[in-house]
Amino acid sequence: DSGVTQTPKHLITATGQRVTLRCSPRSGDLSVYWYQQSLDQGLQFLIQYYNGEERAKGNILERFSAQQFPDLHSELNLSSLELGDSALYFCASSGIWDTQYFGPGTRLTVL
Amino acid sequence: QKEVEQDPGPLSVPEGAIVSLNCTYSNSAFQYFMWYRQYSRKGPELLMYTYSSGNKEDGRFTAQVDKSSKYISLFIRDSQPSDSATYLCAIQAASQGAQKLVFGQGTRLTINP
Repeated sequence: DSGVTQTPKHLITATGQRVTLRCSPRSGDLSVYWYQQSLDQGLQFLIQYYNGEERAKGNILERFSAQQFPDLHSELNLSSLELGDSALYFCASSGIWDTQYFGPGTRLTVL
Repeated sequence: QKEVEQDPGPLSVPEGAIVSLNCTYSNSAFQYFMWYRQYSRKGPELLMYTYSSGNKEDGRFTAQVDKSSKYISLFIRDSQPSDSATYLCAIQAASQGAQKLVFGQGTRLTINP
């Protein structure tokens, strides 16, 4: 158990809908990262937050947004969902200059 | 060209064999090198972490980095069926606290009893 928690574990929704994925980092970690893992693209970095502020951005779609709250938990919002957004979404956390520890992931299925 | 290249396999070996997994990368700015293990439908689990050229050993696992060739390897000795998983190399360039990990495609490994 990495200490990173993610909810929900599974999410099934329809095209055009909006969903919110939630992540709680390890105790004491200030950085939260979001990754998308699909069969054809592998594990892709989406975005990093550090202590509430956006720190780095990857190939995150404009339909996707994230935020980190004062209690350090983070949410990833996915809107106008398309079939191609079906994937595993992982959250990771770390201390500054520390390695990243991954949560169990949320499996999103868009029908 | 991808920043990190990794042979996706699949790789199947008998129990007890030595396994060699490899990645190449293109960006000299990468400074930190990691290997993650991912069991099916689970989150990646950190196995090894290094930042210098040379070897780092942890039990049956050895991570090797050659910065001059931009080549990293993971060796597994005395492989066990429980080592069957997907192994992902991950590389990071540290920049002002932005710690983006770039992953290889992952190699699916099966250890046959």
